[in-house]
Amino acid sequence: KAGVTQTPRYLIKTRGQQVTLSCSPISGHRSVSWYQQTPGQGLQFLFEYFSETQRNKGNFPGRFSGRQFSNSRSEMNVSTLELGDSALYLCASSFLNAGGGYTFGSGTRLTVV
Amino acid sequence: SQQGEEDPQALSIQEGENATMNCSYKTSINNLQWYRQNSGRGLVHLILIRSNEREKHSGRLRVTLDTSKKSSSLLITASRAADTASYFCASCYNQGGKLIFGQGTELSVKP
Repeated sequence: KAGVTQTPRYLIKTRGQQVTLSCSPISGHRSVSWYQQTPGQGLQFLFEYFSETQRNKGNFPGRFSGRQFSNSRSEMNVSTLELGDSALYLCASSFLNAGGGYTFGSGTRLTVV
Repeated sequence: SQQGEEDPQALSIQEGENATMNCSYKTSINNLQWYRQNSGRGLVHLILIRSNEREKHSGRLRVTLDTSKKSSSLLITASRAADTASYFCASCYNQGGKLIFGQGTELSVKP
């Protein structure tokens, strides 16, 4: 079966712009999480959605937002991009409602110049 | 920082040797998971151990969990060059799907 699909794979944006990243989870998976990975801070949790509701949110500024659609696909948006937002953004999905293993996508590499 | 800690940060071994990575976390967990990442790509789920389990096996992987010490270890036996990757532990504290990752161990297996 198809894995978690993230688009686009690579993205270059200018400071001040906004960006939208997309994640299509494995069919039947209702939980979708987003993570930011940087060399300095490592893997950090952004937010998690289950059945279109945000269940958890990490410690990121309000410029980072997300949503989940009725088909479980999710998007995250970053407004007013800063250089420090350059990172690998990873999406993960899970079938289980609670504490199961996650399947990760290959990520979107965002570079802010 | 909320993140757990892993050691060693880097490990270099020869093919056929065993590799052991350790992870510590901060508060009571629902479960602890281990993931592998190759060259900055997506993470691959390896194994999950629940808070009421002490040891779990999957192929060449063995995971232990000591909740009294808030620590876990991942053992890879008879390592192969293809095991070269970064390994991360991730603590799951509740049913809301939030994982707290350690800083990772970079494993290099030389042929």
